[in-house]
Amino acid sequence: AQSVSQHNHHVILSEAASLELGCNYSYGGTVNLFWYVQYPGQHLQLLLKYFSGDPLVKGIKGFEAEFIKSKFSFNLRKPSVQWSDTAEYFCASWMDSSYKLIFGSGTRLLVRP
Amino acid sequence: DTGVSQDPRHKITKRGQNVTFRCDPISEHNRLYWYRQTLGQGPEFLTYFQNEAQLEKSRLLSDRFSAERPKGSFSTLEIQRTEQGDSAMYLCASSLENNEQFFGPGTRLTVL
Repeated sequence: AQSVSQHNHHVILSEAASLELGCNYSYGGTVNLFWYVQYPGQHLQLLLKYFSGDPLVKGIKGFEAEFIKSKFSFNLRKPSVQWSDTAEYFCASWMDSSYKLIFGSGTRLLVRP
Repeated sequence: DTGVSQDPRHKITKRGQNVTFRCDPISEHNRLYWYRQTLGQGPEFLTYFQNEAQLEKSRLLSDRFSAERPKGSFSTLEIQRTEQGDSAMYLCASSLENNEQFFGPGTRLTVL
């Protein structure tokens, strides 16, 4: 069955540190990949998405992700985090043959000022 | 506010009672999705509508759960004979064709 794995459940960083959150998916066909963020008390919001084309995707608020097909990975990166990036981050995939999003279990990021 | 809205935001009920949640999608979106999220987990797909047609249901959706989208606009999710295991956040999302899904704030259900 298709699945999405996020191996870092909790990450604590200081401001200005670099961030990389891991995401792996299990599906051999064409996938569409997403990173969603949920700030405390707010809705899930889309950070970025990959459908096709350039495997390096840039999103909002300085986030980017790289799709590496050979590694089934779509890791999220940010060169310098801010306290306001404290949130829960979810990787998700959407297979062409279905319309539902398959989410990872999420990574809670705490950025210390 | 033109985003996805859900009502109620919180619901506390006793085991065995029926509950109904409502979702109002973004007005031009033809696709509507329901997900369930429990503590420490990502959202899990429950069901999906394209206009008024329910096209897919997860195995998570037991026969106590029913969803409707009668006129292709708002949707309702009903849970009959609630159980403590139904306690979760129920999320609604909408999208336009094969595009990103926009999520509502969710309805938090607590079954006592």
